[in-house]
Amino acid sequence: AQKVTQAQTEISVVEKEDVTLDCVYETRDTTYYLFWYKQPPSGELVFLIRRNSFDEQNEISGRYSWNFQKSTSSFNFTITASQVVDSAVYFCALIPIAAGNKLTFGGGTRVLVKP
Amino acid sequence: GAVVSQHPSWVICKSGTSVKIECRSLDFQATTMFWYRQFPKQSLMLMATSNEGSKATYEQGVEKDKFLINHASLTLSTLTVTSAHPEDSSFYICSARQGSSGANVLTFGAGSRLTVL
Repeated sequence: AQKVTQAQTEISVVEKEDVTLDCVYETRDTTYYLFWYKQPPSGELVFLIRRNSFDEQNEISGRYSWNFQKSTSSFNFTITASQVVDSAVYFCALIPIAAGNKLTFGGGTRVLVKP
Repeated sequence: GAVVSQHPSWVICKSGTSVKIECRSLDFQATTMFWYRQFPKQSLMLMATSNEGSKATYEQGVEKDKFLINHASLTLSTLTVTSAHPEDSSFYICSARQGSSGANVLTFGAGSRLTVL
């Protein structure tokens, strides 16, 4: 069974501050994919990033960056210089490449960026 | 990019009626679609996996007679909430995957908010 834990339920920051969202996962599979999705108030989930278990290279995309540490089973997400539009719920998710292929979501972290 | 359309976005119905929610992949064929339920301020809970041309696979605790899923074509899956009751009020989200590999990104619909009076 898989499990994804996002310990922070809600984070509140002031615009331009950096914010880091933690994600810790558990799986017995050696091959898996990790995702981050953003859910703005409108409700639609927006794909942000996918990372496979063999690629521990950190990634930066604009103001977003991700730190994948397989040794600690963590896949943390940082928003640099946050903006009000970043206010949303962010979900970390895991899917093994074994039979089943079910995406398991973490509980989500609500980010509130105040002007 | 891949687009999934979900309809309706909002629906209010009386207790005891049935409601159908459609999920369409607009620019790709989806052999597998997934239905999730999300309660306020909670995560997404997988309800069932919808496979084109075969019966849906339901997660433990999800009533298959209550939540009917039909995947009639490679671009359309429907979720029917039968004899809806207030406790069925929730946000229902579908997703579709292009191809069969779990590595493929799931594209989500915008969700359907059901309110049962």
